[in-house]
Amino acid sequence: QSGLTQPASVSGSPGQSITISCIGTTSDVGGYNYVSWYQHHPGKAPKLMIYEVNNRPSGVSNRFSGSKSGNTASLTISRLQAEDEANYYCTSYTRSNTPVIFGGGTKLTVL
Amino acid sequence: EVQLVESGGGLVQSGGSLRLSCEASGFTFRSYSMNWVRQAPGKGLEWVSYISVSGSITYYADSVKGRFIISRDDAKNSLYLQMNSLRAEDTAVYYCARDSGYHYDRFDCWGQGTLVTVSS
Repeated sequence: QSGLTQPASVSGSPGQSITISCIGTTSDVGGYNYVSWYQHHPGKAPKLMIYEVNNRPSGVSNRFSGSKSGNTASLTISRLQAEDEANYYCTSYTRSNTPVIFGGGTKLTVL
Repeated sequence: EVQLVESGGGLVQSGGSLRLSCEASGFTFRSYSMNWVRQAPGKGLEWVSYISVSGSITYYADSVKGRFIISRDDAKNSLYLQMNSLRAEDTAVYYCARDSGYHYDRFDCWGQGTLVTVSS
């Protein structure tokens, strides 16, 4: 099964907002509200930022928000800060022989 | 403090075996399902394997099915990944991740990773 489709890179200036898309199918993103987003700084442990499409774990800034429309999920980061520069990955529960699938990742550059 | 610490990585020849460990602390390990996720050099994160609470259910990515075995020892608060018939494409940093959700969507605690290098 192919992974979820994310843009390879996005960029924005401090204070701006950006959105990262995550395109799947009706067998994963479109079929279930079990989309998550992870932030990964190179050399560090990945961090859960959003789960179940639009829920933030305790301690995650409210500048991070998630949404979904059809087969596409999105992560929006508002009021960009330098420390937001990282790689971001979406995941989804999937109706297949493997229960979870990752997106290819998006590198966020804060200009 | 909730913590996961991986160990067991290293350099191994193609066709060889390696056993990774992940020691948990700061939470009731036996109450959580667990996963292994890897990242090959220059690539993105790839889910590898899942094990349920009690270990009765396991899943594997197609890329490792039949070669890797996930297991857990709740008495030792530890998760394992036995990797056999290793290939160059298995070279990656391997992370263990706690799963707090019911639909594989809440990996809320990760280790720092352990590097596995498979030489051809």
